[in-house]
Amino acid sequence: AQTVTQSQPEMSVQEAETVTLSCTYDTSESDYYLFWYKQPPSRQMILVIRQEAYKQQNATENRFSVNFQKAAKSFSLKISDSQLGDAAMYFCACPSIQGAQKLVFGQGTRLTINP
Amino acid sequence: NAGVTQTPKFRVLKTGQSMTLLCAQDMNHEYMYWYRQDPGMGLRLIHYSVGEGTTAKGEVPDGYNVSRLKKQNFLLGLESAAPSQTSVYFCASRGAARGYTFGSGTRLTVV
Repeated sequence: AQTVTQSQPEMSVQEAETVTLSCTYDTSESDYYLFWYKQPPSRQMILVIRQEAYKQQNATENRFSVNFQKAAKSFSLKISDSQLGDAAMYFCACPSIQGAQKLVFGQGTRLTINP
Repeated sequence: NAGVTQTPKFRVLKTGQSMTLLCAQDMNHEYMYWYRQDPGMGLRLIHYSVGEGTTAKGEVPDGYNVSRLKKQNFLLGLESAAPSQTSVYFCASRGAARGYTFGSGTRLTVV
């Protein structure tokens, strides 16, 4: 079965500093997407960033970037210049192989921003 | 606004009662999914659908049933609620560009 592992249940960072959240996954696909979602206290699942596995270049969205290591099956999220509004649960997700592309989620990392 | 709408947002049930959660999307997406989220366990797939009239089991299907009679709606049913089904339920849909859209969730408490 496909698995996604986030080994950091909780992380904290000082406001304006940089933090990296880790994620490893297991898939037998050669072409796939990887996702990071943010879930604030409102519960809404918000897409932070998406990486296409066949692209060598790491995805970037403003202060958010990824370090995608395909061979190692590692997909970490870097948040630069952390802001108070970044405090949330962060989930890494990978679609299952073939068929309905069901998203498989990691257990999540709770990020706290210290003012 | 286009998106995924879940109703209700909150519900308290007594053990043994039944209820249906409604998910509606207006993006003409083929694929729809129901997840549950429990503390410390991320989101787990309950059932999913690859198109109108189709449904399939996910990772944790026991105690739930689903129906997709219309393309835009995906219903999740609990026939006889149990305290173990206390959770937050999310519906999602996926379009051709591999983008997933989530509803805002339903918090269900079974007492």
